[in-house]
Amino acid sequence: GEDVEQSLFLSVREGDSSVINCTYTDSSSTYLYWYKQEPGAGLQLLTYIFSNMDMKQDQRLTVLLNKKDKHLSLRIADTQTGDSAIYFCAESRTGGFKTIFGAGTRLFVKA
Amino acid sequence: DAGVIQSPRHEVTEMGQEVTLRCKPISGHDYLFWYRQTMMRGLELLIYFNNNVPIDDSGMPEDRFSAKMPNASFSTLKIQPSEPRDSAVYFCASSVRGQGAGEQYFGPGTRLTVT
Repeated sequence: GEDVEQSLFLSVREGDSSVINCTYTDSSSTYLYWYKQEPGAGLQLLTYIFSNMDMKQDQRLTVLLNKKDKHLSLRIADTQTGDSAIYFCAESRTGGFKTIFGAGTRLFVKA
Repeated sequence: DAGVIQSPRHEVTEMGQEVTLRCKPISGHDYLFWYRQTMMRGLELLIYFNNNVPIDDSGMPEDRFSAKMPNASFSTLKIQPSEPRDSAVYFCASSVRGQGAGEQYFGPGTRLTVT
């Protein structure tokens, strides 16, 4: 079946890089996403990568995809206290509109 | 654009009462999703609609839950009767095909507490 797994917690110091990892099981996944949820708010799409790509960079965010190992990562450079949030990995496939979300990784940024 | 609008933001009710949560999707979006988020179970998809028609309601926990979308700009999620285990944050999200299958725009959520 479809499943997306993430570690639950990550703690980093301000200014360091954060790397949040995710694994998924559906080899038919076409799109892979990273969403951010701040306290008291809904999820907000940060970035996504199409399955035929290996890497995508957007300012401080770098997404790496290893399709062979079904592993996705999100690297946040120069992590700031404002980056403290829950980060959700998600996947979906072309032709299907259902998106499968991981449990979320809570990122703590220490000043 | 105002984004996805949900009301109320907070709801406290007693066990056995009917609860109705409301959602207004982003104009022009033809997919609408209802999710439930709890610490124990994470984010669960309850039901989603395409062009106001329910497509997949396999995530609706039981018959006490029902959802409707009478038109493109409004949807409701009703719980009758409510139970303490229904306490959660309920999110509505909308999307449109062509932007990518999973680019969903979430509302701020309704925090439901059933006592």
